[in-house]
Amino acid sequence: DAGITQSPRHKVTETGTPVTLRCHQTENHRYMYWYRQDPGHGLRLIHYSYGVKDTDKGEVSDGYSVSRSKTEDFLLTLESATSSQTSVYFCAISLLAANTGELFFGEGSRLTVL
Amino acid sequence: ILNVEQSPQSLHVQEGDSTNFTCSFPSSNFYALHWYRWETAKSPEALFVMTLNGDEKKKGRISATLNTKEGYSYLYIKGSQPEDSATYLCAPMGSGNTGKLIFGQGTTLQVKP
Repeated sequence: DAGITQSPRHKVTETGTPVTLRCHQTENHRYMYWYRQDPGHGLRLIHYSYGVKDTDKGEVSDGYSVSRSKTEDFLLTLESATSSQTSVYFCAISLLAANTGELFFGEGSRLTVL
Repeated sequence: ILNVEQSPQSLHVQEGDSTNFTCSFPSSNFYALHWYRWETAKSPEALFVMTLNGDEKKKGRISATLNTKEGYSYLYIKGSQPEDSATYLCAPMGSGNTGKLIFGQGTTLQVKP
């Protein structure tokens, strides 16, 4: 258990509304990630962070922003949700400092945009 | 590292069959290769992280090999069981240790009893 908590776990919202998903970790890991699950594409990287206030884009960053103001929290924001952003969102942390780099994933947040 | 290719996309086998999948990636700027197992309605879980050319790793009936010079890795499952049914994802990590990890599309394995 890498101490990752995602919230909310389920959310239904309407097109055009802002949505923020939170990823919280308790073990001070430097690297944190947001992925989305897409049929036929597996997991696609949205944004990732390599430290407080240090973030970078992934494969599918359009329409998403992130913030990391403290080590334990990585927030994913959909400024104006669209139906194409209906997905399951996974947060992950990396044990890169341990040189293995394997990711540990949260339980996922299911977002439905109507 | 982009352009990760996994094959086959899906696979149906009978219980007891052995099977293998391929992950192809650009061999330049290689740092590490990850394999993950992803069961339906669950979160992905790490199987192996491999870094050295010729590396072989094993966990129970599952093993993996790595060829960094030609840019591929094989995942083998010996004597498949229904509980092996899952999507298997690979992800190469580039040098520079930025931590950026891009996954392939995955191979979905269905093992019939």
